[in-house]
Amino acid sequence: QLQLQESGPGLVTPSETLSLTCTVSGGSLGSSPSYWVWIRQSPGKGLEWIGTTHYTGRAHYSPSLRGRVTISVDTSKNQFSLKMRSVTAADTAVYYCAREKWEQLLFLYFDNWGQGTLVTVSS
Amino acid sequence: NFMLTQPHSVSESPGKTVTISCTRSSGSIASNHVQWYQQRPGSAPIIVMYEDNQRPSGVPDRFSGSIDSSSNSASLTISGLKTEDEADYHCQSYDNNNRVFGGGTKLTVL
Repeated sequence: QLQLQESGPGLVTPSETLSLTCTVSGGSLGSSPSYWVWIRQSPGKGLEWIGTTHYTGRAHYSPSLRGRVTISVDTSKNQFSLKMRSVTAADTAVYYCAREKWEQLLFLYFDNWGQGTLVTVSS
Repeated sequence: NFMLTQPHSVSESPGKTVTISCTRSSGSIASNHVQWYQQRPGSAPIIVMYEDNQRPSGVPDRFSGSIDSSSNSASLTISGLKTEDEADYHCQSYDNNNRVFGGGTKLTVL
């Protein structure tokens, strides 16, 4: 059973960099097809796609966050990570990692979500 | 990029049928499949519908999905409502390499 677990600081200072890691267990980050995603949810709001990465490190980002976000992969540790620069209070949210389920070269849906981790941006 | 618009909330009585809409702002709703996720308080979302009208295994057939090109929208219909269906429902679609979520709809079963 594939499981994902987010980890990282729960409090980040404004203007600093938010860093989170997602550890994959019960399966390999590189087992094809292998696309991995970060999604966030601000308090009382809807879900927001942040970006998706292939296990090779090729990533795509939300147009609204592009330039502030980097998603990287460490296949040796079976982990992928999120870095978000110059954070503000508007970046306070529950951050989820998940897997993109693909079949026959087509994206189907997000599955195997982590439990989510709350990150608060405050001084 | 396009947006997906959902009603903020809907409510219905147990045993009844409810439909949640998801309207695409630009481009055809039929261009890219629509997915639906159920999210209970304090929990991560789970998939309940994919490729517009496909139910993952384990999702009861009380859940159904459809798209309507005339209104450029997708719909999730839940029949025979149960109190356990009370949750937030999020639609999601994509365009090229982008993934887009609707704002979510709170379903109250009362």
